[in-house]
Amino acid sequence: DAGVIQSPRHEVTEMGQEVTLRCKPISGHDYLFWYRQTMMRGLELLIYFNNNVPIDDSGMPEDRFSAKMPNASFSTLKIQPSEPRDSAVYFCASSLSGRGPKNIQYFGAGTRLSVL
Amino acid sequence: DAKTTQPNSMESNEEEPVHLPCNHSTISGTDYIHWYRQLPSQGPEYVIHGLTSNVNNRMASLAIAEDRKSSTLILHRATLRDAAVYYCILRRAGAGSYQLTFGKGTKLSVIP
Repeated sequence: DAGVIQSPRHEVTEMGQEVTLRCKPISGHDYLFWYRQTMMRGLELLIYFNNNVPIDDSGMPEDRFSAKMPNASFSTLKIQPSEPRDSAVYFCASSLSGRGPKNIQYFGAGTRLSVL
Repeated sequence: DAKTTQPNSMESNEEEPVHLPCNHSTISGTDYIHWYRQLPSQGPEYVIHGLTSNVNNRMASLAIAEDRKSSTLILHRATLRDAAVYYCILRRAGAGSYQLTFGKGTKLSVIP
């Protein structure tokens, strides 16, 4: 398997523009997670899905952020409008259910977002 | 959630063993101890996990104290490729058990 695939790897945009980050989880995995990493706050969980249904979005910073998972092989994280403080590396991860706290998450390479 | 405490940074010489400590004094009986690491410019990757007994895999060993209030990740022979930030994470059975809560981790530098 190719692992978790994220696109684009780098995104540079101007304040106020819409940004869409994409993620393809490992085939067969039924959990998908979106994280954000900054120097100040470290790695933070934004939202996660189980079987394409959002389970916990308490980490989503504000209404400008939205995430969808239209099917088992694709998810998007959208920021509209983007702001300079959204600049960060965004990671997607996936995992297989059934092992509870023994479960392993597999991360993508991340999307580095710069909002000017 | 139970909290973990790790040193901010550590150094090791190449080809020597490395012991990365983690304190988790408020751990509960059902908390699993997980270790992930993040190489530069990459996403985190799973290293190892355990509950009560010591564990070994191809990447590392995990030594868990008898009272489970601390644990140590052991890299038997550090290589330059092991330079990364290592995260010790507790995961509890039940609702939310699939989440990972990352702390600041330990930045490991490997000296050639």
